[in-house]
Amino acid sequence: GQNIDQPTEMTATEGAIVQINCTYQTSGFNGLFWYQQHAGEAPTFLSYNVLDGLEEKGRFSSFLSRSKGYSYLLLKELQMKDSASYLCASMDSNYQLIWGAGTKLIIKP
Amino acid sequence: NAGVTQTPKFRVLKTGQSMTLLCAQDMNHEYMYWYRQDPGMGLRLIHYSVGEGTTAKGEVPDGYNVSRLKKQNFLLGLESAAPSQTSVYFCASSYGGTASGELFFGEGSRLTVL
Repeated sequence: GQNIDQPTEMTATEGAIVQINCTYQTSGFNGLFWYQQHAGEAPTFLSYNVLDGLEEKGRFSSFLSRSKGYSYLLLKELQMKDSASYLCASMDSNYQLIWGAGTKLIIKP
Repeated sequence: NAGVTQTPKFRVLKTGQSMTLLCAQDMNHEYMYWYRQDPGMGLRLIHYSVGEGTTAKGEVPDGYNVSRLKKQNFLLGLESAAPSQTSVYFCASSYGGTASGELFFGEGSRLTVL
């Protein structure tokens, strides 16, 4: 079966660094997406990885290991506005997205 | 630009009633999608469209119908609503499908079926 696992909830402190992990098992693999979703709002795109390694985009970085079926999203210099859910999604061999349930990130001052 | 707009934002239905959710995008995107989002679960694809006049079933199509008569609009219909269809519905669009990168989502439509 196809499965995406990510922690349900994480807590971090303003100004700190947090890493949100995602493991995936899909029928084939064509890339890994991360989206941010504030409560009551639409998901918005953060990153797309298809090759192994780390991609940095400002305060956010995303890492992929295809051999391990593993990705993480790294958020640096956390701000209160980063409080949101972070959705991991793997694209399978049919280019369909399989979504994780999301990780709710709580930032404390 | 408005991006992706969904109407209505909120709706309460009684079991057996019908309704239509409208999604409109002004980005000239070919691909459009309807997802549902339920607590503790990932987004699940209901139906999608790869262009005007085309529709295809997603992961959870039962109880829903869709139409794409115009490129910019994608309608989701519930013929006979059931409590299991209580959910938040998201429409999304993309230029070239998921392989081309990001999806642009609407703000969601919260549906409650009593």
